[in-house]
Amino acid sequence: KNQVEQSPQSLIILEGKNCTLQCNYTVSPFSNLRWYKQDTGRGPVSLTIMTFSENTKSNGRYTATLDADTKQSSLHITASQLSDSASYICVVSLGAGTALIFGKGTTLSVSS
Amino acid sequence: GAGVSQSPSNKVTEKGKDVELRCDPISGHTALYWYRQSLGQGLEFLIYFQGNSAPDKSGLPSDRFSAERTGGSVSTLTIQRTQQEDSAVYLCASSLNLAGVSDTQYFGPGTRLTVL
Repeated sequence: KNQVEQSPQSLIILEGKNCTLQCNYTVSPFSNLRWYKQDTGRGPVSLTIMTFSENTKSNGRYTATLDADTKQSSLHITASQLSDSASYICVVSLGAGTALIFGKGTTLSVSS
Repeated sequence: GAGVSQSPSNKVTEKGKDVELRCDPISGHTALYWYRQSLGQGLEFLIYFQGNSAPDKSGLPSDRFSAERTGGSVSTLTIQRTQQEDSAVYLCASSLNLAGVSDTQYFGPGTRLTVL
């Protein structure tokens, strides 16, 4: 069964600290993996997209890694800011023209 | 240009009534997706369109759900005889095309549906 599991479910960190969110998937065939940020009451916004041949991709303070062999991905947030408080969703695509498989997300709260 | 827009932003309806949700994709985007996000749950795929056709309807939870897209632009998601379990946020996304493997989907703000 195609599944995307994320951990932790929620996380609280102090402003300025780093954190890493995890994503494990059992999707096959695998096309690409995406990380989205979803603010409360808003639609998801794409942070990174990686194909199976890419190991890492950065977008500002966000760095995603992918290990296609172990089917694991992580999203590292550096020097967190209050505005980073949101839900971070890991999404795996089976391929062009197919649906995306969404994880349930990690809720990050950054406090001052 | 403008992003993906959805209307209404909130809809409260009584059980058994029909509702229609609208999505305006980004101009020029040929692919359009509908998703549902229930409280405490992840995003659930419903249906996608390539142009006006819907190659993948596998996510529609029942025959009470239908969607159409006309002119390769605006799409409507219709839920007939609504049930309380239909209460959720319905999100629409569009992307430029499906040819690319890493095609970015841009999401609208969603419609929050509450069935009493």
